Amino acid sequence: KQEVTQIPAALSVPEGENLVLNCSFTDSAIYNLQWFRQDPGKGLTSLLLIQSSQREQTSGRLNASLDKSSGRSTLYIAASQPGDSATYLCAVSFSGGGNKLTFGTGTQLKVEL
Amino acid sequence: DTAVSQTPKYLVTQMGNDKSIKCEQNLGHDTMYWYKQDSKKFLKIMFSYNNKELIINETVPNRFSPKSPDKAHLNLHINSLELGDSAVYFCASSPGTGGGSYGYTFGSGTRLTVV
Repeated sequence: KQEVTQIPAALSVPEGENLVLNCSFTDSAIYNLQWFRQDPGKGLTSLLLIQSSQREQTSGRLNASLDKSSGRSTLYIAASQPGDSATYLCAVSFSGGGNKLTFGTGTQLKVEL
Repeated sequence: DTAVSQTPKYLVTQMGNDKSIKCEQNLGHDTMYWYKQDSKKFLKIMFSYNNKELIINETVPNRFSPKSPDKAHLNLHINSLELGDSAVYFCASSPGTGGGSYGYTFGSGTRLTVV
């Protein structure tokens, strides 16, 4: 069964700290992996998309890595800010799945002043 | 603005009613989706359409009927609403499907509450 798992479920850090969110998936045959951010009561904002042939993607203070062989991805957030507080979702498009996304359960991040 | 837009944003209705949610994208994407986010915030696909053709139906009760009049629109009609249908429904689109590596753009969601 193709599944996506995210740990930790919740994380609270002081402002300025660098942090890593983890995502693991059960099948290495993937098209891509996408990280999203969801603010309370809002929709999903795409942060980074990593194609299966890529090892990492960067956008500003965010860096996402992909290791297909071990079924893992990490989202690194540098110099965290209170505005980074949100739920971060990892989603995988598995091969043969018609480009549907399989989501993890998310990591709820709180960055405190 | 280029976006995926869905209406209404909030929907409160009684059990047994029939309701529709509309979705439109102006990104020129070929594929559109409906996802459901349950009370535990878990997101799961319901349907996918590519150029008006249904390609994914993820064991959703047949009370849910998607309709795609053209590739820019995907509506969701729900008959005989039940309490368990209460959730947030997200529309999304992507440039392609089936063998491609395409990112998604999501709408802002419709919060459905069945009372």
